[in-house]
Amino acid sequence: GAVVSQHPSWVICKSGTSVKIECRSLDFQATTMFWYRQFPKQSLMLMATSNEGSKATYEQGVEKDKFLINHASLTLSTLTVTSAHPEDSSFYICSAQVAGSTDTQYFGPGTRLTVL
Amino acid sequence: LAKTTQPISMDSYEGQEVNITCSHNNIATNDYITWYQQFPSQGPRFIIQGYKTKVTNEVASLFIPADRKSSTLSLPRVSLSDTAVYYCLVGRMDSSYKLIFGSGTRLLVRP
Repeated sequence: GAVVSQHPSWVICKSGTSVKIECRSLDFQATTMFWYRQFPKQSLMLMATSNEGSKATYEQGVEKDKFLINHASLTLSTLTVTSAHPEDSSFYICSAQVAGSTDTQYFGPGTRLTVL
Repeated sequence: LAKTTQPISMDSYEGQEVNITCSHNNIATNDYITWYQQFPSQGPRFIIQGYKTKVTNEVASLFIPADRKSSTLSLPRVSLSDTAVYYCLVGRMDSSYKLIFGSGTRLLVRP
């Protein structure tokens, strides 16, 4: 199956700093990628839909100025958590599907963000 | 709002067959049914997908009745390593379709 990677796998930062998380489709092109957040013992919550070459679409309640998404190429989407605070500590996961296909969505391994 | 309903948790023992049923009463004509497995601190992993009747692969079977308002994931002879959360999702297959996760089923396999 298609492979999605994320970098870094974990990150610890100080409150007030910004953190960038990368999501890459390694062996396929993806015009659309999705970003999820997952708190301990909870399900995945969709944050936003990342569209190559255009603005991301955010779910209700997700601050677009705090969670900046850039999808500059067909294989890379980035999520930047700006001015991170402890309540932003979470597990961030991206997913993607082969562009133009009816294949399933594939998920990245996730990034654990801890804000001190 | 998730389109699916699953049991919150299930317990089983090694070597048993486990069946997890998912309700999706409002499934649309174009929707497929997909099951994912998630281990702690990992991204979900695709298990199986189907549209109707029965689908089988090397790890699981998926049973879908004619009305498609439910589906059952069957895991044959589970092992301890099958302890995970299992998510049932329904949705179209185009690459811009966003998946909404429900609560999933937390399966615990005991020795």
